Amino acid sequence: GENVEQHPSTLSVQEGDSAVIKCTYSDSASNYFPWYKQELGKGPQLIIDIRSNVGEKKDQRIAVTLNKTAKHFSLHITETQPEDSAVYFCAASISRSGGNKLVFGAGTILRVKS
Amino acid sequence: GAVVSQHPSWVICKSGTSVKIECRSLDFQATTMFWYRQFPKQSLMLMATSNEGSKATYEQGVEKDKFLINHASLTLSTLTVTSAHPEDSSFYICSARDSLPPGRASYGYTFGSGTRLTVV
Repeated sequence: GENVEQHPSTLSVQEGDSAVIKCTYSDSASNYFPWYKQELGKGPQLIIDIRSNVGEKKDQRIAVTLNKTAKHFSLHITETQPEDSAVYFCAASISRSGGNKLVFGAGTILRVKS
Repeated sequence: GAVVSQHPSWVICKSGTSVKIECRSLDFQATTMFWYRQFPKQSLMLMATSNEGSKATYEQGVEKDKFLINHASLTLSTLTVTSAHPEDSSFYICSARDSLPPGRASYGYTFGSGTRLTVV
């Protein structure tokens, strides 16, 4: 069925280092892959997204790569800062009758140590 | 950018009472809104999808008579938790997807800030 797997579940990095979070999806028809940052007690905030016709997208310290053949996509955060500490979720857009929906990964707790 | 306002941000209610949560798209029209539930340290689980002017589509295992969804306008959707019980305590989050003219592809989903429901 529709499934998005996300790894790792927790990630601790030293300030200034890079962080990489990986996701795989099951539906080959998925065509939109957003990444969200969620801070405690708040709703998810979109940080970057990528569509299936693009292999890579970058926005300052954040980048996302997509491998459609392997059905996986990754989030890369460079020069991490303490304020990057949060829970990160990947998602994939699943097509179904009546419209699309997002299926979320399980989340990654990122801790940036100063 | 697109903003979704969700209210209240938190609510405490007694067991057996009903609670209504509102989700408004402030600067865009949302033909489709989504309602999620998130338990502590877990991911977002889709409860239902609502399209303006029609009945909501509920995910498997979600009781439609318990979680009433109304999407009467392009900018407002409401979720009512009826006869709430302690096990309904959770973080409820709405999301709205904008509607664009044909030819403009948009898959943007904007999320509200969430509502912490505690049933005592």
